[in-house]
Amino acid sequence: QKEVEQNSGPLSVPEGAIASLNCTYSDRGSQSFFWYRQYSGKSPELIMFIYSNGDKEDGRFTAQLNKASQYVSLLIRDSQPSDSATYLCAAGVANQAGTALIFGKGTTLSVSS
Amino acid sequence: EAGVTQSPTHLIKTRGQQVTLRCSPISGHTSVYWYQQALGLGLQFLLWYDEGEERNRGNFPPRFSGRQFPNYSSELNVNALELEDSALYLCASSRRYEQYFGPGTRLTVT
Repeated sequence: QKEVEQNSGPLSVPEGAIASLNCTYSDRGSQSFFWYRQYSGKSPELIMFIYSNGDKEDGRFTAQLNKASQYVSLLIRDSQPSDSATYLCAAGVANQAGTALIFGKGTTLSVSS
Repeated sequence: EAGVTQSPTHLIKTRGQQVTLRCSPISGHTSVYWYQQALGLGLQFLLWYDEGEERNRGNFPPRFSGRQFPNYSSELNVNALELEDSALYLCASSRRYEQYFGPGTRLTVT
């Protein structure tokens, strides 16, 4: 059974702090990793993706991947109240047709002002 | 560039009825994925279509079915609706790797 595990939270951080979200995956064949943000009642929004070991930065967001440990993380610097949402981690296995994603259940982040 | 679109936005059906949900992918995307998100649960993969063919299917009964049209738009059909089918149904499209979601269809079965 291919699984992606996330701590459901809630993770509470004060405004301006760094929020650290973590994810582990079971399928060593996973090649690509994605972080989605989902506000209550809305659809998921892709915010980061990473394919190679190491760090990838985009603005206030940094994704980190360690394939040996089967571990993915998302750091949000200078957290804002508008970052309060559920963050979904997904692991993907690609073939010629596309990429199948397995999603975790999500971590709820609450940023207090 | 227009995003993924879905229709209808909301739907209320009675147990035993049938429903059809529709999805139009981002221009240039050939793959369409369907997911179910029931209240308090994670995203559950339903179906994946690419180039008109069903590529993969999640752990759902056969009363969940769909198809992809030559213009890459897609339909999800659910027959013999049950109360537990009440959920947000999400469609996503991709060209190869990243999937982009539409706004979803909220289905309520009474």
